[in-house]
Amino acid sequence: EVQLVESGGGLAQPGTSLRLSCAASGFSLDDYAMHWVRQAPGKGLEWVAGISWNSGSTHYADSVKGRFTISRDNAKNALFLQMNGLTTEDTAFYLCAKDIDFWSGIDYWGQGSLVTVSS
Amino acid sequence: DVVMTQTPLSLSVTPGQPASISCKSSQSLLYSDGKTELYWYVQKPGQPPQLLIYEVSKRFSGVPDRFSGSGSGTDFTLKISRVEAEDVGVYYCMQSIQLPLTFGGGTKVEI
Repeated sequence: EVQLVESGGGLAQPGTSLRLSCAASGFSLDDYAMHWVRQAPGKGLEWVAGISWNSGSTHYADSVKGRFTISRDNAKNALFLQMNGLTTEDTAFYLCAKDIDFWSGIDYWGQGSLVTVSS
Repeated sequence: DVVMTQTPLSLSVTPGQPASISCKSSQSLLYSDGKTELYWYVQKPGQPPQLLIYEVSKRFSGVPDRFSGSGSGTDFTLKISRVEAEDVGVYYCMQSIQLPLTFGGGTKVEI
């Protein structure tokens, strides 16, 4: 059974940093691209970042480019999102998501980790 | 970026009746390999999204056959042949023909 479990969220002040982690199980992480998608409370889905199976390519939404960094450790079955320069606009649930293949759609999602940016 | 436009915003349905959701993309989702990169998800209350349909019309594992997807190019439709109480939630379409992945605004289905 595919499982994706996020951690690392919480309350952060504007301008500070947080690092999210996603623990993957039930599949071979190194076979798939992975994504982070966020959802502000009560709002729709916004793709944040994606990373290829071997970390060879990474892509970011314009809204986070230069501030967020996606990375992965296939040996540890883990995906990460380093978030710097947080603003109140970054307040959202951050969901880890597994790509179907290689930059295809998403087939599995984690439950999400809530990041609240507030002074 | 590819803009995904869903209609309607909300849908109130009687159990046993059909429901239909439209999704239009700002550019063709037909990839050079012949696949059309259009996906449908449902997000039930308090849960993450679940994949229903991939590549326009292929049902994901475990998805009941009352769900069907159709369309081509830029116009797509998700149909529920007979809505059940467990189908309440917000339905999203998504494109993966190019990054960034983009989603429709969602359609809330209520009973």
